[in-house]
Amino acid sequence: SQTIHQWPATLVQPVGSPLSLECTVEGTSNPNLYWYRQAAGRGLQLLFYSVGIGQISSEVPQNLSASRPQDRQFILSSKKLLLSDSGFYLCAWRSDTQYFGPGTRLTVL
Amino acid sequence: GEDVEQSLFLSVREGDSSVINCTYTDSSSTYLYWYKQEPGAGLQLLTYIFSNMDMKQDQRLTVLLNKKDKHLSLRIADTQTGDSAIYFCAGISPTISGGYNKLIFGAGTRLAVHP
Repeated sequence: SQTIHQWPATLVQPVGSPLSLECTVEGTSNPNLYWYRQAAGRGLQLLFYSVGIGQISSEVPQNLSASRPQDRQFILSSKKLLLSDSGFYLCAWRSDTQYFGPGTRLTVL
Repeated sequence: GEDVEQSLFLSVREGDSSVINCTYTDSSSTYLYWYKQEPGAGLQLLTYIFSNMDMKQDQRLTVLLNKKDKHLSLRIADTQTGDSAIYFCAGISPTISGGYNKLIFGAGTRLAVHP
């Protein structure tokens, strides 16, 4: 069966520090992968999606970037965090339906 | 593009039925989904319905689809305190360049179950 992991589960970072969130998928090959952000009490905002290694599409202009160095690995990064980057970050993969990871809660202080 | 709307809050008594409603704009979505998010957790796929169906039942969950009105609902029978969560409906956007389409989520309905 397919599983999706996210690391770390929670993170507190100061403004201006770098960020790296990792998402890995098991049990499938060449998945479509997605990064979402959920601000407190809000819905989901799609940030990035990837249909293959090295292929990244950005949905909204922002302070974040994504990379896909391996088929089942998707990384969300930032060189300098902003306060507005705080939120709950969800990774997802999709075949006919979409499955989500457990999420990473990021607090920028 | 696709737009999905939900009411934000619903409060029900334990043991009653809950009905969470969703409206969408794009009738070309082949599947429509319901996800559940418990506090501090990721989204869990609850159920989905194919667009050529009117109803789908899965244990305590019943999904109704009214394609004419572009209305989707999730009914939870015998609602329990463990059903307290945020429920998201989602549809698939039209295919864009590159053959890619994406899920469009509503803002989520917060279901509170009280004794």
